[in-house]
Formats: sequence, C-alpha cells, structure tokens
Amino acid sequence: SAVISQKPSRDICQRGTSLTIQCQVDSQVTMMFWYRQQPGQSLTLIATANQGSEATYESGFVIDKFPISRPNLTFSTLTVSNMSPEDSSIYLCSVAPYLEANYGYTFGSGTRLTVV
Amino acid sequence: GENVEQHPSTLSVQEGDSAVIKCTYSDSASNYFPWYKQELGKGPQLIIDIRSNVGEKKDQRIAVTLNKTAKHFSLHITETQPEDSAVYFCAASGSGGSNYKLTFGKGTLLTVNP
Repeated sequence: SAVISQKPSRDICQRGTSLTIQCQVDSQVTMMFWYRQQPGQSLTLIATANQGSEATYESGFVIDKFPISRPNLTFSTLTVSNMSPEDSSIYLCSVAPYLEANYGYTFGSGTRLTVV
Repeated sequence: GENVEQHPSTLSVQEGDSAVIKCTYSDSASNYFPWYKQELGKGPQLIIDIRSNVGEKKDQRIAVTLNKTAKHFSLHITETQPEDSAVYFCAASGSGGSNYKLTFGKGTLLTVNP
C-alpha cells in the first residue's frame, strides 16, 4: 500500500497566521483527500484534491480558509489560513492508492496543530 | 448524503475475550466498508475492509460481516490482546463519481484489560 509522509508532524501557531501542511506519497495516486479530526472526534473530510483540477470542498469548508495545491500525482499541500484557536485539530492526508478502484484508502500520521 | 452510526462509543473487555463493534449506514448505494484502528498520536490504520458483494471477511483474529439488506456491518475481534486497545472507526463509501468519499462513524474506544 502507499506510504504517506506528512509534514510537519505538529506545530504551535499564533492566531492570525497561516500554516502549510505537506503530503508526499511514495507512488502515484489519483485521489488525495484532506481530513480534519478535532480532539476526541471522528474524521471530517475537508476536500478532495485531484491533480490538474481545482479541489472539491465539502460543506462548511471554503477555499479561502483551506487552500489546497496538487501539482502532481505524488504531492499535495493544505494551508490553514488566518488561524484561530478553533482550528486546533489534527489534519490528515489520505490517498486512494489504486488508480482504478476506490478502496484501500490509507492515511498519513497527521499534523497536530495547536493555535494559541 | 451518507450517514454512519457506530456503537458502542466505548467498550472494555478482558484480555482473551471477544469484542464486537457495530455500524449502520443510510445510503443503499454504498458498497465499500473499511475499518480503521487509530492509536494515540497516530493516523488511522486500515485493518480490514469488505465490499458489498461479500458477506463476511476474516483476517486472523479480525473479521467483518456485512448485511446489505439491513444496512449494517460489524467488526469482530477474537482473543483480544492489550495491544488491540485503540479507537476503531468504521466507514462507508460508494463506487465512484462523487460517491467515492469515505464517511466515518464516530469511533469506538476499545480498552483491553490484562
């Protein structure tokens, strides 16, 4: 299965600033996803990032707050903009590792963000 | 959209006992049902999955059953060990188009007592 490297693993940021999270995959994948996991909660999909097209955002998430880049089939970034303490969460990158089927989704180890 | 309910939210068992976690889903078009284990400080790890054309799948001490008619699926862990202690999430997704997204249950905190 695909191996995902996510950076940074954790960060403490000042409110009003922005943080860019990187997701690197060891193989080419069609679909990449970004999730948010608030403390003690389940995973909520922020957006789907496909190479060569604009990211598709879920209800409640907007591009101005969470801009995403997907320059190639192995890399994506998520930026958390103009942060507030409510953005303190774990942010997770996920991929569907098989180009012709949607199964076997794997996750990175996450970025633990604290906004102060 | 899809809604996944998961029960129980916490489960405590003695080492060696079995553990069962149950999930129901709302969208009859969903056809892929993975289970994830998340240990403290780590990302979710896929432990087993099942597609809708299969009723049961087993991998050593872990098994998943699916009842499409009733729209529910369950995770069974036998001979539990302390290292099975973690949060377990079920999820559901469809077959393509906009239905490939995973919808997660709220999670079950499993504690295996030695």
